[in-house]
Amino acid sequence: EVQLVESGGGLVQPGRSLRLSCAASGFSFNAFWMHWVRQAPGKGLVWVARVSNDEITTNYADSVKGRFTISRDNAKNLLFLQMNSLRVDDTAVYFCARVVPGVDTPMFDFWGPGTLVTVSS
Amino acid sequence: SYVLTQPPSVSVAPGKTARFSCGGSDIGSKSVHWYQQKPGQAPVLVIYYDRDRPSGIPERFSGSNSGNTATLTISRVEPADEADYYCQVWDRNSDHLVFGGGTRLTVL
Repeated sequence: EVQLVESGGGLVQPGRSLRLSCAASGFSFNAFWMHWVRQAPGKGLVWVARVSNDEITTNYADSVKGRFTISRDNAKNLLFLQMNSLRVDDTAVYFCARVVPGVDTPMFDFWGPGTLVTVSS
Repeated sequence: SYVLTQPPSVSVAPGKTARFSCGGSDIGSKSVHWYQQKPGQAPVLVIYYDRDRPSGIPERFSGSNSGNTATLTISRVEPADEADYYCQVWDRNSDHLVFGGGTRLTVL
């Protein structure tokens, strides 16, 4: 059974850092591109970042570029999101999502339940 | 950057047809995917590549895409369909993934 489980969320002050993790199981993690998507309370889905299966390619939303870093450890089946210089408007539930394999435009077939990040003083 | 526009809400009576629009510049030249999200849950893919249904998604769900508008249609709406619906594309120009703002379906 495919499972994605995020962790690492919590309350953090503006300007501080946080690292999110996404533990993958039930599939060959090293074969899949992965993304982070976030959702502010009561708001819509917003794409954050993506990483290729081999970690060679990464892309970021303009709102997080230069502050967030996506990475992965294929040996441990883990996806990460390092978030620095956090702002109040980064407050959201952060989802990791798996890209459907073999497609030419990304779409997601599995999502984690999400982890809540609250940025507040 | 590429923008997808969705109306904030749609209301329909049970058994009727619900249509969700997703507007974008020349969106007909892109592949559009649709997700359903119920409160407190992760999104679920309901339509991919404009009109294809993943296994397990009822035939009541269909999609189309042409010109500047993509459309998700739910026929014979049921109370369990009440949820938020998001369209999504990949913008090759910016290498960004884009979601629409979402449309909340209320089943009257």
